[in-house]
Amino acid sequence: AQTVTQSQPEMSVQEAETVTLSCTYDTSESDYYLFWYKQPPSRQMILVIRQEAYKQQNATENRFSVNFQKAAKSFSLKISDSQLGDAAMYFCAYRSGFPGANSKLTFGKGITLSVRP
Amino acid sequence: DARVTQTPRHKVTEMGQEVTMRCQPILGHNTVFWYRQTMMQGLELLAYFRNRAPLDDSGMPKDRFSAEMPDATLATLKIQPSEPRDSAVYFCASGFTGTGVNQPQHFGDGTRLSIL
Repeated sequence: AQTVTQSQPEMSVQEAETVTLSCTYDTSESDYYLFWYKQPPSRQMILVIRQEAYKQQNATENRFSVNFQKAAKSFSLKISDSQLGDAAMYFCAYRSGFPGANSKLTFGKGITLSVRP
Repeated sequence: DARVTQTPRHKVTEMGQEVTMRCQPILGHNTVFWYRQTMMQGLELLAYFRNRAPLDDSGMPKDRFSAEMPDATLATLKIQPSEPRDSAVYFCASGFTGTGVNQPQHFGDGTRLSIL
């Protein structure tokens, strides 16, 4: 079974600074997807960024980028120029990429990010 | 923007009562998921449908929980009888999976359930 680990329960960053959120995962599969979801106090689950395991290039979405280290099974999220609206809980998630496989998401426990003005 | 719609947004009821949560997936999506979020366990899958057929409900307590998709526009999650330990936020998500296609899941806003 796949597992996702987010070992830091909380982090804090100064507005306009950069912060990196860590995530590691364990799988025996070679084809999979990794995601970061943001959950603000409104409790919506918002997709921030996704990475296909077969792609070597790290995904980027505006101020958000990932550092995907497949051999180390590490998938960290970097938020640049942090804004007050980035304050939320962030979840790392895994999904199998095999056709016909259960496409459920396996989530980490989440990390609470606070942004200091 | 297309979105997953869940009702009700909040539900407070007494132990032993039946609870029904509803989800309208995004039109055209063929997979529907029910997740439960608690402080202790985090986000866990309860049930998963593809093309309205249940594929995985191993995360769901079978004695009191049931999940169905009466049609492509409606998914339901029922708890009968409800217990205080069922208090949680229940999310519905939908997506599209096909040959060579595996789109990200879109989540509804969740139902916050409180069982007294």
